[in-house]
Amino acid sequence: DVKVTQSSRYLVKRTGEKVFLECVQDMDHENMFWYRQDPGLGLRLIYFSYDVKMKEKGDIPEGYSVSREKKERFSLILESASTNQTSMYLCASSVFGLGNTIYFGEGSWLTVV
Amino acid sequence: QKEVEQNSGPLSVPEGAIASLNCTYSDRGSQSFFWYRQYSGKSPELIMSIYSNGDKEDGRFTAQLNKASQYVSLLIRDSQPSDSATYLCAVMGTGNQFYFGTGTSLTVIP
Repeated sequence: DVKVTQSSRYLVKRTGEKVFLECVQDMDHENMFWYRQDPGLGLRLIYFSYDVKMKEKGDIPEGYSVSREKKERFSLILESASTNQTSMYLCASSVFGLGNTIYFGEGSWLTVV
Repeated sequence: QKEVEQNSGPLSVPEGAIASLNCTYSDRGSQSFFWYRQYSGKSPELIMSIYSNGDKEDGRFTAQLNKASQYVSLLIRDSQPSDSATYLCAVMGTGNQFYFGTGTSLTVIP
């Protein structure tokens, strides 16, 4: 089974703090993604990566950055957390090609106070 | 226009009935289509994938795809209270991008 692991499940951070969300997948997938999910807004893509050291902006990259130094690991960074970044963050991975689906981690609940 | 559209519901069905969930998409070149189930507070889990026109059955679930109409549906037969969740439709468009609907909330009433 594909496993996508998000190490931090529940975090409470103060406004202005730097926040790191880590994600590791164990299936040698090329593609990795970070989404946030908010009630009524669905899943919104923040950043994605098709390869090591490669990143592409998604729909809502403002206030976020990412790092992919190794194929299995994709980190989301909030440089200066704000209250409007309180959300559930979902990491996901997939491979290229027809029929290959996207697999999600368990999610990280971030509250910024 | 959103890439993937779903009726947000809520949809309520009695236990044992058939639940029908619908989804339309805008990218005519899309090739892969998925249904995810998401329980409250949990992450989405894949329940069905479909790539060809027609029906695909897996237990109590049937996915239906009509590429000409750009329409995907999910039928849940003999609905159970444990099926109560939000169902997300996902489409892999041209360029290997995934697009998700906002989800349909389903409640199965015992």
